[in-house]
Amino acid sequence: DTAVSQTPKYLVTQMGNDKSIKCEQNLGHDTMYWYKQDSKKFLKIMFSYNNKELIINETVPNRFSPKSPDKAHLNLHINSLELGDSAVYFCASSQVQTVETQYFGPGTRLLVL
Amino acid sequence: GENVEQHPSTLSVQEGDSAVIKCTYSDSASNYFPWYKQELGKRPQLIIDIRSNVGEKKDQRIAVTLNKTAKHFSLHITETQPEDSAVYFCAAGSKSTFGDGTTLTVKP
Repeated sequence: DTAVSQTPKYLVTQMGNDKSIKCEQNLGHDTMYWYKQDSKKFLKIMFSYNNKELIINETVPNRFSPKSPDKAHLNLHINSLELGDSAVYFCASSQVQTVETQYFGPGTRLLVL
Repeated sequence: GENVEQHPSTLSVQEGDSAVIKCTYSDSASNYFPWYKQELGKRPQLIIDIRSNVGEKKDQRIAVTLNKTAKHFSLHITETQPEDSAVYFCAAGSKSTFGDGTTLTVKP
């Protein structure tokens, strides 16, 4: 029983390509997040959705577009990939908005060549 | 904006010693303070948390203390073991701001 799952686990692609990462949670949580973890291990929030509604949108290039078709799914689409986008992207969920324990997915390791 | 500062960035201890990691936060409305452990190549996972109506919480070898007046909270690990080696993150604030992480190395 995987609580928060992400696909793909690894993504290697060329600069300029467009790619998507999918996230699903089966915990019945209302809130989902995307985080970026760079090579220095800093964990930075990118987006947060509560019941399919965007509630946090940090300073992220508009090449990144999250989509939440329902409260169990939060996908991340990235246009025109750049070298600096290489990182590990974590999806997470929590029962309510931010002030509860977050459950992280296994991460998607993105490498842009 | 929210600011969470975490110190130290790296910490090396001998097995059996104690380790303390401290975080300070700026958002006075913060009322939930979790600590996450991230082992190499794995996802962050909650190890302990504390809410603002409590000053200390303990779970076996780990404890968290909170000083709301001073806006800081700390993670304490006693009798450290090599499997405690990992990156530890604190978080605070309404936007789920994480500290920059502390890489703890426990030498056998």
